[in-house]
Amino acid sequence: SYVLTQPPSLLVAPGQTATFTCGGSNIGTVSVHWYQQKTGQAPVMVVYDDSARPSGIPERFSGSNSGNTATLTISRVEAGDEADYYCQVWDSSSDHVVFGGGTKLTVL
Amino acid sequence: QLQLQESGPGLVKPSETLSLTCTVSGGSIDGSSFYWGWIRQPPGKGLEWIANIFYSGSTDYQSSLKSRVTISVDTTKNQFSLKLTSVTAADTAVYYCASLSFTPIRVDSWGRGTLVTVSS
Repeated sequence: SYVLTQPPSLLVAPGQTATFTCGGSNIGTVSVHWYQQKTGQAPVMVVYDDSARPSGIPERFSGSNSGNTATLTISRVEAGDEADYYCQVWDSSSDHVVFGGGTKLTVL
Repeated sequence: QLQLQESGPGLVKPSETLSLTCTVSGGSIDGSSFYWGWIRQPPGKGLEWIANIFYSGSTDYQSSLKSRVTISVDTTKNQFSLKLTSVTAADTAVYYCASLSFTPIRVDSWGRGTLVTVSS
């Protein structure tokens, strides 16, 4: 089945840029969605279809997808962005929803 | 906006069946706009998709769980349900119900989640 690979952790200082990666075979050919999960809460979608933002998500959140890597970028990181971030695709070959293992963002 | 709420026992004994229900409000479960699904998260771990169902009854299951899982929908109650048989401690997790948009499939709305512990 399709595998999505995310680094387990990311440390960023406030005001800097956080760049999350999500690796998968030819991931650039499918749509990637990103979710933010704060401690003790349900996940919330922050980017869908590679680069679109749901209503209410700040413009600081952006996404891209090409080749074997999809990327979520948070500009001007704030303390409130500290959370786990998961990428997700639909694997049409197996009819499975697939999540990456998640990356924990720590704001220094 | 859709709201989803999980309900069911918080404690299940090993080898027994885990049963959860998700009640949907703010929209009809028998519309053609969404799949309905279950996702779980073991303590301290990542998200694992379990299953989806369309209002018509069409289903998709996680391969590793397929032999133990049944997802069903009750349009009269605006609910959908999950049954997981022969549970072990490895099935201890927060279970989320969710609505999923399609083309392509993504999770639009999540329930708050319910912790199910498998223990004797």
